[in-house]
Amino acid sequence: GAGVSQSPSNKVTEKGKDVELRCDPISGHTALYWYRQSLGQGLEFLIYFQGNSAPDKSGLPSDRFSAERTGGSVSTLTIQRTQQEDSAVYLCASSLEPGGSEKLFFGSGTQLSVL
Amino acid sequence: QKEVEQNSGPLSVPEGAIASLNCTYSDRGSQSFFWYRQYSGKSPELIMFIYSNGDKEDGRFTAQLNKASQYVSLLIRDSQPSDSATYLCAVNPRNGGYNKLIFGAGTRLAVHP
Repeated sequence: GAGVSQSPSNKVTEKGKDVELRCDPISGHTALYWYRQSLGQGLEFLIYFQGNSAPDKSGLPSDRFSAERTGGSVSTLTIQRTQQEDSAVYLCASSLEPGGSEKLFFGSGTQLSVL
Repeated sequence: QKEVEQNSGPLSVPEGAIASLNCTYSDRGSQSFFWYRQYSGKSPELIMFIYSNGDKEDGRFTAQLNKASQYVSLLIRDSQPSDSATYLCAVNPRNGGYNKLIFGAGTRLAVHP
């Protein structure tokens, strides 16, 4: 596709349920990032993928959070046993190369609401 | 101390004026600096990046970087109502490598006719 695609755009779930968020990066982009944006806050780094491997998972807030990437393309962020504090917009971004100054292209995000 | 700090605003300027947005960062070794614009309910969009001390101009936007003072600013000339958005300052503290950006909380800009 022309841009970074994320699905679903909105997800409402009950506390304790598991959720999966999907990101389809721009074709050919090797670097993929997940960020989280809570209401009124800046973006918080979660995880970075280069190809299918994740050399930096330092931003994942707890072991309830995990992510994978397959085929060097689609990535899935999974949150197990969701808590209300997990409510946020989850943004995925990709870039052509992993260079430190490469432009990140963001998807439109998944608004997660945990009731 | 937050790694990247911005005044949350709102910064209110009249149409046609210069809007000045400021950002300070704590990691003196940071190498690259970015300004993103985020309209309400939308994803961030890169508008400027700067690596070297001094000014960088792109149309109505000028980014200014002062590494000694650890601040980066964004000037928007001839501000338009369509510039009303939240402006996020982001810093890459890594010397090369991947783009693990540290974002400020953003400054909300309101340009009134």
